[in-house]
Amino acid sequence: QKEVEQNSGPLSVPEGAIASLNCTYSDRGSQSFFWYRQYSGKSPELIMFIYSNGDKEDGRFTAQLNKASQYVSLLIRDSQPSDSATYLCAVNNYGGSQGNLIFGKGTKLSVKP
Amino acid sequence: DVKVTQSSRYLVKRTGEKVFLECVQDMDHENMFWYRQDPGLGLRLIYFSYDVKMKEKGDIPEGYSVSREKKERFSLILESASTNQTSMYLCASTLPYTGGTEAFFGQGTRLTVV
Repeated sequence: QKEVEQNSGPLSVPEGAIASLNCTYSDRGSQSFFWYRQYSGKSPELIMFIYSNGDKEDGRFTAQLNKASQYVSLLIRDSQPSDSATYLCAVNNYGGSQGNLIFGKGTKLSVKP
Repeated sequence: DVKVTQSSRYLVKRTGEKVFLECVQDMDHENMFWYRQDPGLGLRLIYFSYDVKMKEKGDIPEGYSVSREKKERFSLILESASTNQTSMYLCASTLPYTGGTEAFFGQGTRLTVV
């Protein structure tokens, strides 16, 4: 059974700090990695994706991928109360249905003013 | 922008009723998915479809069926609703790239079975 593991949290950081969210995955064949943000009662929305080892930056968000360690992370710099949400890590289901993603259970982030 | 629209935001149904959840996407995506999301259990795949009239079971298909008669529409059917099917239901669509592509989600349907 392919798995994506995340610390459920809650992760609490003060406003302005760096929030670090981590994810590990079991399938070495995975090629695509996604971070979704989900506000309470809302549907997930994509904030970052990464395909290659290393870092990818987009504004205050940085995704980091290490395929050898099967590890992907999301850093949020200058955290704001509006970043408080659940963050879902997802990886493609290599060898499975085309376009199917496997989701972690999510990490709940709370940014305190 | 891709738009995935679910027919209802909130639904309340009685035990034993047949329930239809509808999902429509406007970006000509081949793949469509139905998930349910429960606290502590994350997103669980119920069924998916990669073409018209094609369907495959996900992780938790029991008690559900699906229909895809047109490319843009994917319906989830609860044959006889039960209280343990009370949940948030999310529809999603993607392009058929085997390496994985972004999933676009509908707004979700919160179903309560009483």
